[in-house]
Amino acid sequence: DADVTQTPRNRITKTGKRIMLECSQTKGHDRMYWYRQDPGLGLRLIYYSFDVKDINKGEISDGYSVSRQAQAKFSLSLESAIPNQTALYFCATSGSGSYNEQFFGPGTRLTVL
Amino acid sequence: DQQVKQNSPSLSVQEGRISILNCDYTNSMFDYFLWYKKYPAEGPTFLISISSIKDKNEDGRFTVFLNKSAKHLSLHIVPSQPGDSAVYFCAAREVSLDKVIFGPGTSLSVIP
Repeated sequence: DADVTQTPRNRITKTGKRIMLECSQTKGHDRMYWYRQDPGLGLRLIYYSFDVKDINKGEISDGYSVSRQAQAKFSLSLESAIPNQTALYFCATSGSGSYNEQFFGPGTRLTVL
Repeated sequence: DQQVKQNSPSLSVQEGRISILNCDYTNSMFDYFLWYKKYPAEGPTFLISISSIKDKNEDGRFTVFLNKSAKHLSLHIVPSQPGDSAVYFCAAREVSLDKVIFGPGTSLSVIP
């Protein structure tokens, strides 16, 4: 089984709809992240959490919110989806410490019409 | 303004030859650099890293070189194999912020 899972893998929604992307991990990591990937822009950090009670904004948090329900679960919500939120979304985890690599989920392809 | 730049969106190399992927950064506070590899329909996976106190790190066919004075690093793949065809992301970490900044990626095609 995959260490980092994301649901759904693909989603098409309409402008104005609320949508939630879910991420679960079995690696026992404290740190979790949400990124979006757009062509030519690489991976940009939306939100990150270093433990269950810690939530931090990344570089592009506007229009998004997150919930860290447990150490293993980190959800990303779009309260009112807009077309420029069409992107590939990745969840990632890492262990505590300064130099730990991140482990990514398979991604969710979101299309907002 | 992008702090981590990969100015070549794509690169094609013959199988068996060397692939050189380049990355430039602007923030002198970056102290740790990583390369990730991404296949289609999969998440990125960690490939190799280097600390700012080193100028070279090698792992099998993969070597990363760091030139701090030029704020430049490169990933060398020797010999290149068709399975190396993927998007490669350069990433940099600023220790005080404990966050990683990713570059836009370079798509490598290794031609058999």
